[in-house]
Amino acid sequence: GNSVTQMEGPVTLSEEAFLTINCTYTATGYPSLFWYVQYPGEGLQLLLKATKADDKGSNKGFEATYRKETTSFHLEKGSVQVSDSAVYFCAPSDSWGKLQFGAGTQVVVTP
Amino acid sequence: NAGVTQTPKFRILKIGQSMTLQCAQDMNHNYMYWYRQDPGMGLKLIYYSVGAGITDKGEVPNGYNVSRSTTEDFPLRLELAAPSQTSVYFCASSYSKRNTGELFFGEGSRLTVL
Repeated sequence: GNSVTQMEGPVTLSEEAFLTINCTYTATGYPSLFWYVQYPGEGLQLLLKATKADDKGSNKGFEATYRKETTSFHLEKGSVQVSDSAVYFCAPSDSWGKLQFGAGTQVVVTP
Repeated sequence: NAGVTQTPKFRILKIGQSMTLQCAQDMNHNYMYWYRQDPGMGLKLIYYSVGAGITDKGEVPNGYNVSRSTTEDFPLRLELAAPSQTSVYFCASSYSKRNTGELFFGEGSRLTVL
């Protein structure tokens, strides 16, 4: 089955700093790739996705590019806000559409 | 829209007790899922369902049971609760499995087994 490795957190940043969260995966075939975000006290929600190689997913200022050659899907944001404080999960899907979630990376943005 | 609704939000059980976590969705989604989230471990799939009357095991099904008698409801049953089942449980739904990957999650149910 698929597996996914995310950088460990917590990642602590100042407001307006650049954020990168690394994600690499192993998978058979060509999975779709997803980033989910979990704000405090809430369930997960889809942040962005990419369904084929070299696709770039983007939403709310976040971006991630499907890199098939390096099996990576790193999440980036150029200027974070306090409201971006959350836990971020990388997740490839298998051929049946089931997601394999990473351990999650907690991001803390300070004013 | 209510989306995915889970009850209860919090529950404390004694070892050996049983309980059912309720999950309902009002989006007419075919696919429903139960995950557990343990600190630093991400989400693990317990059971899933592709439609009414059809369920299948995920990664960590032991100690749990599910049923899917309607499209809307997908309850998770814990029989003989154990401390290892202390976790946060999330129910999710999606319209289709075909690589859309967009799951809609409930707010979670925090269960403690003492």
